[in-house]
This record gives sequence, C-alpha cells and structure tokens, in this order.
Amino acid sequence: DGGITQSPKYLFRKEGQNVTLSCEQNLNHDAMYWYRQDPGQGLRLIYYSQIVNDFQKGDIAEGYSVSREKKESFPLTVTSAQKNPTAFYLCANSAPGQGIAWREKLFFGSGTQLSVL
Amino acid sequence: QKEVEQNSGPLSVPEGAIASLNCTYSDRGSQSFFWYRQYSGKSPELIMSIYSNGDKEDGRFTAQLNKASQYVSLLIRDSQPSDSATYLCAVNNDMRFGAGTRLTVKP
Repeated sequence: DGGITQSPKYLFRKEGQNVTLSCEQNLNHDAMYWYRQDPGQGLRLIYYSQIVNDFQKGDIAEGYSVSREKKESFPLTVTSAQKNPTAFYLCANSAPGQGIAWREKLFFGSGTQLSVL
Repeated sequence: QKEVEQNSGPLSVPEGAIASLNCTYSDRGSQSFFWYRQYSGKSPELIMSIYSNGDKEDGRFTAQLNKASQYVSLLIRDSQPSDSATYLCAVNNDMRFGAGTRLTVKP
C-alpha cells in the first residue's frame, strides 16, 4: 500500500467548530490528495498537493483548508463554514513517475468518518 | 468542468455471468485510466489500469479503452459474490472519479 495513515477513524464535530483530520505517509511520495465521499456517491476532490508548501483547490474546496509543511503530512481542516460536513474523508497519495505503470496510481488511507453532533 | 461519468446502477448479475461497467470522460487529453473497487465502509483499491486503446486482461478482469469515443469499460467474467462492491472509474489528468457503479452478484 502507499503507507498512508489517517486518524481518527471516527470524528464528531459540534456546530461552529473546526476539526482537523490527520493524514501521514511514510513512502516519500510527493503528491497527496483529499477526497470526500457521501453515502452512495463517488469521490469528490477537495484539495491536492504536488509538492511541499504548495497545494491546489479541487472541486469542493469551500469550507476546507489544508497545509503541506512537511512531505509526510497533509492535514485537512473542516471549518465551521462547511455547513454539511458529514461524510467519509479519504486521503491518498500517488507514486512518483517511475514508468507508465506507476503514473498517478493512487494509494488510499483507511478513511475518517466525520459526523455532526 | 472536466467530467467522468459512469453508468448508473445498481447493477445486479447472477453468479457466473459477465458484469459490464462503463465510464465516459470529457477531457480528450486524458492519458491514464483506472478502475478501483470499494467495499462498503472501506477505502478504494486499484484493480485495473489502462493507458492504450484496446483491451487489457488481468485474470477475470478486462479493461477496454477507446480514446476516440472517450470511454473506458470494465468486464468481470465469471462474476462471484465476492465481486459485489462499488466500482469507481478514475481519469488521471486531474484525478477525478466517476460516481461509481454498485455491483451485486447474486448466488
């Protein structure tokens, strides 16, 4: 696997509260991604980062923020501006381009289920 | 916005049948295409990747790519109950996923 660790497995947010989801990797991959998945739906891209200290918005970045201060870590903060945060959140990384077979293959963490109290 | 679309499910097939899953994409410049399988409550896992037009076979799975028509499909031969899952199509340029097709294989 891509050596990705997400924590916590379950998280509860109170109204008006910011919460941070952790994503750590141990395989030295440059690219990391955050996806949101709602029940019965596919994955929607929130943010991604191709390199340390740089990140780009995905399709649904509003109400979320990220940082990439270290190559190993890509935490996602769900802010109080995100009015419907209940979802399954997945962090992923992709192997560097070592040939076409490895290009952009994603490795996923085990996910964090966020719910609102 | 670049889009990846999958045929709406759910799809139900009897055990031993062929399951056919389809995906279309809007970005004609896309180069890499992936099929992921996701069991309920779990994270997706890669089952097939394809980069060139034509068919690619891996065991009971066959991925088919037609760049001119902008579609990619996944065939599962001799479907088993353990194949019951949601199948997600992904296109590489910006790592977008389709909404997924839920497959149920009935014994």
